Amino acid sequence: AQRVTQPEKLLSVFKGAPVELKCNYSYSGSPELFWYVQYSRQRLQLLLRHISRESIKGFTADLNKGETSFHLKKPFAQEEDSAMYYCALSGRGGSEKLVFGKGTKLTVNP
Amino acid sequence: KAGVTQTPRYLIKTRGQQVTLSCSPISGHRSVSWYQQTPGQGLQFLFEYFSETQRNKGNFPGRFSGRQFSNSRSEMNVSTLELGDSALYLCASSPGRKNTEAFFGQGTRLTVV
Repeated sequence: AQRVTQPEKLLSVFKGAPVELKCNYSYSGSPELFWYVQYSRQRLQLLLRHISRESIKGFTADLNKGETSFHLKKPFAQEEDSAMYYCALSGRGGSEKLVFGKGTKLTVNP
Repeated sequence: KAGVTQTPRYLIKTRGQQVTLSCSPISGHRSVSWYQQTPGQGLQFLFEYFSETQRNKGNFPGRFSGRQFSNSRSEMNVSTLELGDSALYLCASSPGRKNTEAFFGQGTRLTVV
């Protein structure tokens, strides 16, 4: 079964502090992993995906197949990073179906 | 390019009624997926259409159905509404090539009373 677990519903850090949002997955095969973000009053949008191995807005995420994790990290959090973050998984079949975690609400305090 | 457009933005319906939600994807996108978002269950996949064919279906009862037209626009229908169907329904479109970015609409907020 495909499953994505984000163990923290809420995460609060101070501006300038490092931040790590955890994501663990369960999938029998090699999935594609994504992080989506939803800022206040905006639509859900893609932040980054593991296949492109890029850094967006200072965020990075490394796929660890041994630990089945895809944690999102940023060394120095900014207030504008406050948002809802969703980890998502897609299988390698022909479908675009995304399985989402329940999300982590990140608050960056001044 | 215009983004994914969902109509209506808000709906209030009575138990037992049916409802149709509409989604216009980004021009050129051939895949449309639907998700239900609730505080308790989060984002759950409903179904995905590609070139007018249902390519995948989530674990929802048969009261939930959808279709896609030749211009890639999609509709989803929920019949015999229940209170638990109250949710934000999100539509996402993508070009249809595997694992490209999914672009989401603003959603339709359905309230069943």
